[in-house]
Amino acid sequence: NAGVTQTPKFRVLKTGQSMTLLCAQDMNHEYMYWYRQDPGMGLRLIHYSVGEGTTAKGEVPDGYNVSRLKKQNFLLGLESAAPSQTSVYFCASSYSAGAAFFGQGTRLTVV
Amino acid sequence: KNEVEQSPQNLTAQEGEFITINCSYSVGISALHWLQQHPGGGIVSLFMLSSGKKKHGRLIATINIQEKHSSLHITASHPRDSAVYICAVHYGNRDDKIIFGKGTRLHILP
Repeated sequence: NAGVTQTPKFRVLKTGQSMTLLCAQDMNHEYMYWYRQDPGMGLRLIHYSVGEGTTAKGEVPDGYNVSRLKKQNFLLGLESAAPSQTSVYFCASSYSAGAAFFGQGTRLTVV
Repeated sequence: KNEVEQSPQNLTAQEGEFITINCSYSVGISALHWLQQHPGGGIVSLFMLSSGKKKHGRLIATINIQEKHSSLHITASHPRDSAVYICAVHYGNRDDKIIFGKGTRLHILP
C-alpha cells in the first residue's frame, strides 16, 4: 500500500557525476511522469511514459534520460550532473487522465 | 506564456475567510487536477475534475469547460490550510502530458 515511492530522498552530487533516481508505484498505473520543481518556476515535466517500454520528452528533457523497463518502475538518469540540475524532483503516476499520485520528492544538489 | 495560468500568485487571509483560487488554461483538456503542497514539500492530489463540481469537506472545486476555467474554493479557512495550491491540466489527446500552473501560495492568519 505504498503508492508512489521515490528513492533516494536526498542526494548531493559533484559536477560530472552520474546518478539514477528510482520511482516505483504499486497501483498498476500506465502513466508515469518525472518533474522538477524550482523556485518561481513551478513543476516542469522532464519525461513521461504512457506504458511499459515507452518514454517521451517533456518540457525540459535535456541532460536527463529515462527508462520504463517494468510497468511499476520509472527511472530518471543524470549522466553528467550540472549545477543547473539542482532541484527537487517529483515522480507521479496516473491512469490515463485519472487522479495523479505523487512521490514525496528527491532533493538533489549538484556542487 | 504558460499554458496554465493561476491567480492570485500569493494570497494572505484571516482565519474563517472564504478563499477562491483561479486557474485558466488555453486548449481543450481531458482532466484538471488541484494539488496541495505543504511547506514540507509533499504533494497531495485534492481533486481531479473533467466537468462540473466536486466537494470534499471544506474544499470545493469547479470547472467550466467552455470557458477553460476552474476554481478552488476553501470555506471557513484555517491556518492549517496554508500551503501552495497547484492547478494541473491533463492534455489527453495528443500528448498525454500533465502541465502545471506555478501555484498559489496561501497563508491563513490565525
